[in-house]
Amino acid sequence: GQQLNQSPQSMFIQEGEDVSMNCTSSSIFNTWLWYKQDPGEGPVLLIALYKAGELTSNGRLTAQFGITRKDSFLNISASIPSDVGIYFCAGQLRLRSGGGADGLTFGKGTHLIIQP
Amino acid sequence: EPEVTQTPSHQVTQMGQEVILRCVPISNHLYFYWYRQILGQKVEFLVSFYNNEISEKSEIFDDQFSVERPDGSNFTLKIRSTKLEDSAMYFCAEGGLRSPLHFGNGTRLTVT
Repeated sequence: GQQLNQSPQSMFIQEGEDVSMNCTSSSIFNTWLWYKQDPGEGPVLLIALYKAGELTSNGRLTAQFGITRKDSFLNISASIPSDVGIYFCAGQLRLRSGGGADGLTFGKGTHLIIQP
Repeated sequence: EPEVTQTPSHQVTQMGQEVILRCVPISNHLYFYWYRQILGQKVEFLVSFYNNEISEKSEIFDDQFSVERPDGSNFTLKIRSTKLEDSAMYFCAEGGLRSPLHFGNGTRLTVT
């Protein structure tokens, strides 16, 4: 199956710094999604990308769908303490002709830690 | 924003027992999914469900797993004979044709 390489695995930053993380794949995806997961909770959607080259912002978050459809990045500007958590990228290959949908393939996550 | 509701939040069971995990989707989306996350690891796809039947399943979703939408609203995942390695967080998710997946808060399954 598809594999996603997400990096970095963890980041230790100071409050106020900008953050950048990315995912790469050996195969193409039609959709890229970025989620944040807090301990004991389910992943919460941050940004969804549907078109190669698309650049989308959600407040201090910006994500891009790579032109090759094999990569995506997420940037967080001016980090704040509540940004702490695990960030996952996820790719979806296609919608099936019969109407069903492929499941998401998740990266292993980037653990963001903000130092006071 | 409305939530996908999962019950129970934590289930402890003995090896070999059957468990049923429940999900109540909150909208008229067409696609429903189950995912699992072993502690400290990434989220893994189990199965997708569309038009009241399985659309796709991963190699994790073997014969001991089954899904149902028994009454048109609840969406269940049954594990027939649990194994120790089934211990994980199980997440239900829903989405539309072009809308992204929204996840519930999960059920923590502990098999002893």
